[in-house]
Amino acid sequence: DIVMTQSPLSLAVTPGEPASISCRSSQSLLRSNGYNYLDWYLQKPGQSPQVLIYLGSIRASGVPDRFSGSGSGTDFTLKITRVEPEDVGIYYCMQAEQAPRTFGGGTKVQIK
Amino acid sequence: QVQLQESGPGLVKPSETLSLTCTVSGGSINNNYWTWIRQPPGRGLEYFGYIYYTGSTNYNPSLKSPFTMSVDTSKNQFSLKLTSVTAADTAVYFCARLGPTAAGSSPYHYMDVWGKGTAVIVSS
Repeated sequence: DIVMTQSPLSLAVTPGEPASISCRSSQSLLRSNGYNYLDWYLQKPGQSPQVLIYLGSIRASGVPDRFSGSGSGTDFTLKITRVEPEDVGIYYCMQAEQAPRTFGGGTKVQIK
Repeated sequence: QVQLQESGPGLVKPSETLSLTCTVSGGSINNNYWTWIRQPPGRGLEYFGYIYYTGSTNYNPSLKSPFTMSVDTSKNQFSLKLTSVTAADTAVYFCARLGPTAAGSSPYHYMDVWGKGTAVIVSS
């Protein structure tokens, strides 16, 4: 299975400040079609996860543009330009390049 | 707008069978892929695999728990069954849709709709 490693484990951010989460895969997620088969999900406290980004960098419908995904191959980053209080929760990356899909361990984002 | 609702027994005894159902509302189960994910207490997400509305499946062989998925298109439901459960199967179980999009000319699916989850405790 592809191993997904996220860092940091947790992050405390002042509202209005940026935040960045790293995700590394044990194998390349870049396909010959030029797309990286990687998604980002956010699980807010007490809720089910919700998709933020798919195919590495495409924002899902309704996701604010302060969220962006970048990277290619084995190294990916989720960036929040200005963190808002409603962004608290656990962020997960997940690879879809090879079955079975596997998730990173999660990064907990809290507000200072 | 498609919505998903998991249902299950809440409490199951060790070695028994756990049956969970996900009901799809606001849309059809047809022509879609459906998946199950679980989250043990205080831990991350585990992916079971997916089932297509036709009944074809792709399971995660790395999960130690023996399980099967099924679909009932007449009820707009799909199900997950775990046999011989142990305490390690205690978790919140989520169902989700693998919504379709395109990666160039290739299809791509991501978990675009999730249920709220149902908690299962395995205990005698």
